[in-house]
Amino acid sequence: GNSVTQMEGPVTLSEEAFLTINCTYTATGYPSLFWYVQYPGEGLQLLLKATKADDKGSNKGFEATYRKETTSFHLEKGSVQVSDSAVYFCALSGGNTPLVFGKGTRLSVIA
Amino acid sequence: DAGVIQSPRHEVTEMGQEVTLRCKPISGHDYLFWYRQTMMRGLELLIYFNNNVPIDDSGMPEDRFSAKMPNASFSTLKIQPSEPRDSAVYFCASRKPSGGYGTDTQYFGPGTRLTVL
Repeated sequence: GNSVTQMEGPVTLSEEAFLTINCTYTATGYPSLFWYVQYPGEGLQLLLKATKADDKGSNKGFEATYRKETTSFHLEKGSVQVSDSAVYFCALSGGNTPLVFGKGTRLSVIA
Repeated sequence: DAGVIQSPRHEVTEMGQEVTLRCKPISGHDYLFWYRQTMMRGLELLIYFNNNVPIDDSGMPEDRFSAKMPNASFSTLKIQPSEPRDSAVYFCASRKPSGGYGTDTQYFGPGTRLTVL
């Protein structure tokens, strides 16, 4: 079945550091891939998505590229801010079925 | 659009009491999902509906949990009787009808934080 594996947290970075959160997936067919973000006390929000191989999703300075050859969708940001502190979830879509989520990675950015 | 609406935002109750959580999906969405989030177990899918019909309830932990969707704009998740281990944040999410661009994105509500004493 479909599954998502993302790096364990927590991740602690200083402001302006480079961020990478790894995500790999197992899926049949050609799923869409997502990154959701959950800020403290809030629900999950869509951060970015990619629907086919080699697509790059981007939003708020975050980027992720759909790599079919390595079955990966790593999240990157060149310079993190304190306001980026949140939990980040990688997910994939199997069509008519619910999104399959990774376990989440908590990011803390310190000034 | 108002987004997915959940009520109440916080609920504190005593063990043994009945708890009802409510969700209003985004208008035009025909998929609705209920999730539970805890520190220990992370994000768990409890049940989901399509066109008001329950499709998969295999994630519902026990018979104490039940969910209904009487119409396209309202769903409830009920716990009776509640227990301390049910304490968690419960999220509702909705999605557009299948087919076409953007129809696989799920939109989440703000959640209901449930505390069972």
